[in-house]
Amino acid sequence: EDKVVQSPLSLVVHEGDTVTLNCSYEVTNFRSLLWYKQEKKAPTFLFMLTSSGIEKKSGRLSSILDKKELFSILNITATQTGDSAVYLCVRNTNAGKSTFGDGTTLTVKP
Amino acid sequence: GAGVSQTPSNKVTEKGKYVELRCDPISGHTALYWYRQSLGQGPEFLIYFQGTGAADDSGLPNDRFFAVRPEGSVSTLKIQRTERGDSAVYLCASSLTGSAGELFFGEGSRLTVL
Repeated sequence: EDKVVQSPLSLVVHEGDTVTLNCSYEVTNFRSLLWYKQEKKAPTFLFMLTSSGIEKKSGRLSSILDKKELFSILNITATQTGDSAVYLCVRNTNAGKSTFGDGTTLTVKP
Repeated sequence: GAGVSQTPSNKVTEKGKYVELRCDPISGHTALYWYRQSLGQGPEFLIYFQGTGAADDSGLPNDRFFAVRPEGSVSTLKIQRTERGDSAVYLCASSLTGSAGELFFGEGSRLTVL
């Protein structure tokens, strides 16, 4: 129950590449799906998605949610070395509970 | 405060000892969460407070773990009779409401049980 599965587990790319990170979740009492970036300790917020098919965009990052197929993707275009981090997907329920995936470790090489 | 503050940042203790980890959330945030993160894994939910009460403590692994938030602000996670398997980073997060929107995380407390 409450599983959030992220893929790939890790990814190594070169600067300038485009990457797509995947997150699938179980539907129980779904309220929202969030993406976080974790570089050292504290995860930092990227996006919150509640509606299907509406892309959220911030600079080179974008994300979209598919509530029918129960997944979300995070895209990063023109990757930079500063994008190297663990990217976490979180599913929130109406009861206030947050379940994290195990993250995708992205390494961007110069 | 300006952000979520956690103390201590690092704690090394011996097996069997008692530890307390403190979290001071963002002022005005009613919701407070505790997570445990082991290397290579995502944060694992422990407990969620809405105000002073624990709205969901289903993630606490066993009765050695206990958390309080007596005045609806600062929270303390208490671990009795620590075991080596308790070693992890303990993350605290707060949110403005209980609707599990954006979480603001502290830097974590790294616990090492020898």
